[in-house]
Amino acid sequence: KQEVTQIPAALSVPEGENLVLNCSFTDSAIYNLQWFRQDPGKGLTSLLLIQSSQREQTSGRLNASLDKSSGRSTLYIAASQPGDSATYLCAVPSSGGGADGLTFGKGTHLIIQP
Amino acid sequence: DAEITQSPRHKITETGRQVTLACHQTWNHNNMFWYRQDLGHGLRLIHYSYGVQDTNKGEVSDGYSVSRSNTEDLPLTLESAASSQTSVYFCASSESIYGSETQYFGPGTRLLVL
Repeated sequence: KQEVTQIPAALSVPEGENLVLNCSFTDSAIYNLQWFRQDPGKGLTSLLLIQSSQREQTSGRLNASLDKSSGRSTLYIAASQPGDSATYLCAVPSSGGGADGLTFGKGTHLIIQP
Repeated sequence: DAEITQSPRHKITETGRQVTLACHQTWNHNNMFWYRQDLGHGLRLIHYSYGVQDTNKGEVSDGYSVSRSNTEDLPLTLESAASSQTSVYFCASSESIYGSETQYFGPGTRLLVL
């Protein structure tokens, strides 16, 4: 059974810092990995989707890397801003391509202090 | 713009009552999913569907049922609501069964069972 772990569970940093969120998964036979953002009381917004054949994906100040062999992914946020405050979730397909759903980590709750 | 909507957004019910949560997507996606989110557990898969007339059980399906009569809708029914089913419920959809597409999430339904 796939399991996903996110470290740290919570993080508070001053504005402007670069930071790294970590995600690990137990079964390396994944098709892809997704990073989501969740604001309080809201749904999930997809940030980045990395295919198994890719090493990284970038969107603006966000960069996500994937190392399948070690079962790890990192989300790098450059020049953090108060608007980045949210919970960040990592998810991988529960099995196969993901048509049978995703397995999520419990998230990293991020606070960016102005 | 295409979207996923859920209704109601908030619901209070009593133990033993039947409750149906609605999910409607205009992406024309074949795959639809229901998750629940609880503190300490993260998001867990309840049921999913690959298309019309297809339904499958997820990790935490006991006490829940779904039916898929068209592409756009996947209602979730709690047959006899229990306090343990107090949670936030998210519906999601995706286009591909091959894991190349992201999942899009609705805004969630907050359910309280008294």
